[in-house]
Amino acid sequence: DQQVKQNSPSLSVQEGRISILNCDYTNSMFDYFLWYKKYPAEGPTFLISISSIKDKNEDGRFTVFLNKSAKHLSLHIVPSQPGDSAVYFCAALLVDSGNTPLVFGKGTRLSVIA
Amino acid sequence: DTGVSQDPRHKITKRGQNVTFRCDPISEHNRLYWYRQTLGQGPEFLTYFQNEAQLEKSRLLSDRFSAERPKGSFSTLEIQRTEQGDSAMYLCASSRTSGGAYNEQFFGPGTRLTVL
Repeated sequence: DQQVKQNSPSLSVQEGRISILNCDYTNSMFDYFLWYKKYPAEGPTFLISISSIKDKNEDGRFTVFLNKSAKHLSLHIVPSQPGDSAVYFCAALLVDSGNTPLVFGKGTRLSVIA
Repeated sequence: DTGVSQDPRHKITKRGQNVTFRCDPISEHNRLYWYRQTLGQGPEFLTYFQNEAQLEKSRLLSDRFSAERPKGSFSTLEIQRTEQGDSAMYLCASSRTSGGAYNEQFFGPGTRLTVL
């Protein structure tokens, strides 16, 4: 059973507008959440993360929101740029258990249209 | 380049052959992970090492798969008697280890395996 779910396989957004990518998880023990970005023929690269003790983390154009009661997180990209077009993976782990391996969602392909 | 490197980047093999992949982690990282990504899926954990010790293996790692990290530096992943279902991107990642804090995993570019 998928512990981390990204229910939207793809998303198209116009340049300059907001992109919102969503992620749900089922394991309430997860205490750290991350977003990775992946271009074709490359490995995933870290984008932004959030600890379970916070509900928001911001880094430039990227903001991650965490709603623990709903077991839901989202990534907001404002403004969206064509270079943001990639596959975005949500991931989770247990840091307090010694940094367990990452559990990834299936990914959402973001297309930013100029 | 001081990032994670993987070799080869692409491998095409016939069903039943053995293949071996190599991963060189970032030099000061003592933890090394192997993941597999198939089409339409996110990366799935296979196994990880802390130094030379293999600490955990996923149920995805069948008996045909074996991983080593003999000197706690580079690692190899071998697949024996390959099957078409083994076709995937094999990703390696490395990280430091420090208690109580998140240690970022840095990924290599992956090895794409195609089994004909």
